[in-house]
Amino acid sequence: RKEVEQDPGPFNVPEGATVAFNCTYSNSASQSFFWYRQDCRKEPKLLMSVYSSGNEDGRFTAQLNRASQYISLLIRDSKLSDSATYLCVVNLLQAGGYNKLIFGAGTRLAVHP
Amino acid sequence: GAVVSQHPSWVICKSGTSVKIECRSLDFQATTMFWYRQFPKQSLMLMATSNEGSKATYEQGVEKDKFLINHASLTLSTLTVTSAHPEDSSFYICSATGLAKNIQYFGAGTRLSVL
Repeated sequence: RKEVEQDPGPFNVPEGATVAFNCTYSNSASQSFFWYRQDCRKEPKLLMSVYSSGNEDGRFTAQLNRASQYISLLIRDSKLSDSATYLCVVNLLQAGGYNKLIFGAGTRLAVHP
Repeated sequence: GAVVSQHPSWVICKSGTSVKIECRSLDFQATTMFWYRQFPKQSLMLMATSNEGSKATYEQGVEKDKFLINHASLTLSTLTVTSAHPEDSSFYICSATGLAKNIQYFGAGTRLSVL
């Protein structure tokens, strides 16, 4: 079983649509959680951190359910510029005190006019 | 702030040659740097973690003699792919952490093509 699992998509949605991505992780010792965005042939960029209390940043809302080891990302009012691959990422504290990021394979979003 | 520069962005080399990739933190001291590899349509996979002045910690299945990592200063880490072969062709990305150890700042990546 993969450590972080995501639906690969692609999700093809029209502008203005609301789209939701899901992610599950296998290691209950995971400490922190993120959504990253990766454009084609580019490095990943941090979109937002994810908390159990949920957090919102403009059109983006992220939620964490530790009990079910489930993370979600909701994008409202999709824009063409939202087209990218969205990576679910968990952070594990390693021996020696450093952090290890475990990346999901990503969910591809394509927003069309 | 928190800019990580990676060089080169793209390299093509012949099979059997060695390629060095540099990763620099431009405006902060990077206590830890990470090297990832990403094959097409796959997730980023951590190859190794390096702390300044000490040996890198390699992930299982990553050959330390093939992927040489040097982290001689708080602002520079290098990855050398020795005797590269076509199967080493991939997107290599570095990242670095400073005081906030749970936030990694990524370089722009290096696309390696081995002919």
